Amino acid sequence: EAAVTQSPRNKVTVTGGNVTLSCRQTNSHNYMYWYRQDTGHGLRLIHYSYGAGNLQIGDVPDGYKATRTTQEDFFLLLELASPSQTSLYFCASSSGTANSDYTFGSGTRLLVI
Amino acid sequence: KTQVEQSPQSLVVRQGENCVLQCNYSVTPDNHLRWFKQDTGKGLVSLTVLVHENDKTSNGRYSATLDKDAKHSTLHITATLLDDTATYICVVGDRGSALGRLHFGAGTQLIVIP
Repeated sequence: EAAVTQSPRNKVTVTGGNVTLSCRQTNSHNYMYWYRQDTGHGLRLIHYSYGAGNLQIGDVPDGYKATRTTQEDFFLLLELASPSQTSLYFCASSSGTANSDYTFGSGTRLLVI
Repeated sequence: KTQVEQSPQSLVVRQGENCVLQCNYSVTPDNHLRWFKQDTGKGLVSLTVLVHENDKTSNGRYSATLDKDAKHSTLHITATLLDDTATYICVVGDRGSALGRLHFGAGTQLIVIP
């Protein structure tokens, strides 16, 4: 079954720590996205990619790096984590058209203390 | 400034009742609009997508309308079930391709009680 799988499910790190969030999709989609979700806000786009080796900057990219190693795998990197990055992170994939499937992972809850 | 406003912020209904969720937006251009369901602690699941002016869609007990002139959409849930308890999120896409942005509302939290 086509899916988007995120790991880890939960993560706690200290301020200044190094964190990598992983996402794998089996939908054969070209586009992959990283979002953060905070209470009272809609999802906000951090980075996205339209293929292996490609990276596009989203709306809230500061403090985040990302890398798309294969069509299936998209990673979000926090090299110097800060408490403001405590959030629920979602990965998604799509084929990129209005009527296409848009599939979300189950999320990674990150706490930076 | 928030470009997608949802109302009400939260809603409690009894199982079996109908409910209507509202979405008003200012996104321009407005290529398409999606409604997602998000169970607590889970990812978003697409319920429907509306593309054209005055589109109406139906997906089981969920039905939706879009008025592009008014920049307004409604999601109707008929004969609610306990499993409908979730946050419903309205999302407006400003392009027909992934070159565009998705603009997310903050969601309406629906609670269905016995």
